Amino acid sequence: AAGVIQSPRHLIKEKRETATLKCYPIPRHDTVYWYQQGPGQDPQFLISFYEKMQSDKGSIPDRFSAQQFSDYHSELNMSSLELGDSALYFCASSSAGAASGGYEQYFGPGTRLTVT
Amino acid sequence: GDSVTQMEGPVTLSEEAFLTINCTYTATGYPSLFWYVQYPGEGLQLLLKATKADDKGSNKGFEATYRKETTSFHLEKGSVQVSDSAVYFCALSGTNTGNQFYFGTGTSLTVIP
Repeated sequence: AAGVIQSPRHLIKEKRETATLKCYPIPRHDTVYWYQQGPGQDPQFLISFYEKMQSDKGSIPDRFSAQQFSDYHSELNMSSLELGDSALYFCASSSAGAASGGYEQYFGPGTRLTVT
Repeated sequence: GDSVTQMEGPVTLSEEAFLTINCTYTATGYPSLFWYVQYPGEGLQLLLKATKADDKGSNKGFEATYRKETTSFHLEKGSVQVSDSAVYFCALSGTNTGNQFYFGTGTSLTVIP
């Protein structure tokens, strides 16, 4: 079965550079979530999109932005990178939509970002 | 606010031992509860879920029951295997604040032969 695809799997950037992470949800899933997992920490919710509109916003820094496109894939854009941005970034998708609650989310393998 | 409190690890067990990982939650509304497992270097995989009070989720020998009266969703397995070594996250979603997941801090389990 098709799963959530994230690219790239690994990314190394220097401080103050920019990075773009991509997420391709499971076909027919309309909702995408982004999470950040620091070393040894639990995943923290950043932002989500339903039908190409932002649905919920978590602890996403102002330096980060994201969007969902017409084909439902999503991109997380990160600017002025800091050492503390080094983390595993997960994308998850679901078919619940913004109006429903409690549906499981299917997680991608993550993008490991290292900022040097 | 909505949150999950999870038993701290790491936990080390011998093969075939009984496993319990405690999880309690605080939430507005009527959340769904989940256990996710993360193997080294991999993403999060759904292990089991329960969407309403008294539901029992089960998968691969793991079980957890949604207890509203104690706001708990403890994970249990009767006989662990070496292949169960991983980090386990308790999570909730579907509260009044939205559909995002709130995760516990994760419990690292190591099963030794």
